[in-house]
Amino acid sequence: KQEVTQIPAALSVPEGENLVLNCSFTDSAIYNLQWFRQDPGKGLTSLLLIQSSQREQTSGRLNASLDKSSGRSTLYIAASQPGDSATYLCAVRGRSGSRLTFGEGTQLTVNP
Amino acid sequence: GAVVSQHPSWVICKSGTSVKIECRSLDFQATTMFWYRQFPKQSLMLMATSNEGSKATYEQGVEKDKFLINHASLTLSTLTVTSAHPEDSSFYICSARAPGDNSPLHFGNGTRLTVT
Repeated sequence: KQEVTQIPAALSVPEGENLVLNCSFTDSAIYNLQWFRQDPGKGLTSLLLIQSSQREQTSGRLNASLDKSSGRSTLYIAASQPGDSATYLCAVRGRSGSRLTFGEGTQLTVNP
Repeated sequence: GAVVSQHPSWVICKSGTSVKIECRSLDFQATTMFWYRQFPKQSLMLMATSNEGSKATYEQGVEKDKFLINHASLTLSTLTVTSAHPEDSSFYICSARAPGDNSPLHFGNGTRLTVT
């Protein structure tokens, strides 16, 4: 059974700092990995999707990497802003079927 | 980008009544939609996978007679919480995948259900 772990559970940084969020998964036989952002009381916004054959994806100030063999992904946020404050979730899709397995999330606070 | 609309965004109902939540893909056809439940400070728990034109597939421990799912068209799936009880109070989120097996999942904004 796939298990997804995110570290740290919470992170508080000053504005402008670069930061890294970590995601690890136990079964490396994945189809893809997706990073989401969730604001309080809201649904999820898809940030980046990395296919199993890819090593990284970039969108603006966000860069996500994937090391499938070690079961790890990182989300790098450059020059953080208060508007980046949210909970960040990673989710992996297994080889068979369409289900996603989510991590518990990292609650990020960027202080002005 | 792909948009998923979920309605209502919040609902308060009395114990014993039923509540219907709608999930629509606005600009794409979704043969598969997913329903999740999220408790405070916790991650998402998959409840069921909804396939257009066929019966939903429920996760272990989810009562299919309690949480009725209908996926009658390629753009609409509904979740009905029947005979709701206070323990059903939660945040329910739907998601849908745009066409193409490599496409990302897109989520609705969720429905906050409070059963009194």
